[in-house]
Amino acid sequence: EPEVTQTPSHQVTQMGQEVILRCVPISNHLYFYWYRQILGQKVEFLVSFYNNEISEKSEIFDDQFSVERPDGSNFTLKIRSTKLEDSAMYFCASSERQGWGNTEAFFGQGTRLTVV
Amino acid sequence: GESVGLHLPTLSVQEGDNSIINCAYSNSASDYFIWYKQESGKGPQFIIDIRSNMDKRQGQRVTVLLNKTVKHLSLQIAATQPGDSAVYFCAENKVADKLIFGTGTRLQVFP
Repeated sequence: EPEVTQTPSHQVTQMGQEVILRCVPISNHLYFYWYRQILGQKVEFLVSFYNNEISEKSEIFDDQFSVERPDGSNFTLKIRSTKLEDSAMYFCASSERQGWGNTEAFFGQGTRLTVV
Repeated sequence: GESVGLHLPTLSVQEGDNSIINCAYSNSASDYFIWYKQESGKGPQFIIDIRSNMDKRQGQRVTVLLNKTVKHLSLQIAATQPGDSAVYFCAENKVADKLIFGTGTRLQVFP
């Protein structure tokens, strides 16, 4: 079964440092998403990406965040200067078509980011 | 304001019994709802979905009910098994691309 893969599974970084979280979406999918989940809390939308540009982003996704699809397979989330409150599980998801009602989206296993 | 919330944070059921997990939403503009299962250390896993023009949808051992009058969504799991133990989230969609997740209900299955 196809799956979304994320690396690393756990990243520890010092406050103020830059981190890049990596995702390999399912190969024929065209829509990509990042969500995050602070420990014990609900999953929160960060950003959606299609055709090499951001299609929607939340209030959480401020200037410290950026996304990129550097090649045909990877989809990355960069946090420029990490803060303690960025500590969370970050999930990548991808879907074949736009609109959650039109197609199932698949989530990766997540990257646990710990900022110390 | 808009919100998707769950009535109970934890639900404990005996193996073999049926489970019912509830969810309330406040935005009547939402037209699509999904239930996700999240096991420890894993990402959300799609279980079942329902559009707002439906009242009920059945899958394998799972049924989702939608009551638009009271803005209520439920997930029924028949013959609950130990492997069903997880956190269950409802999520709503009213804008393409963006899902709003509820806070989650932990389902515990005991023998």
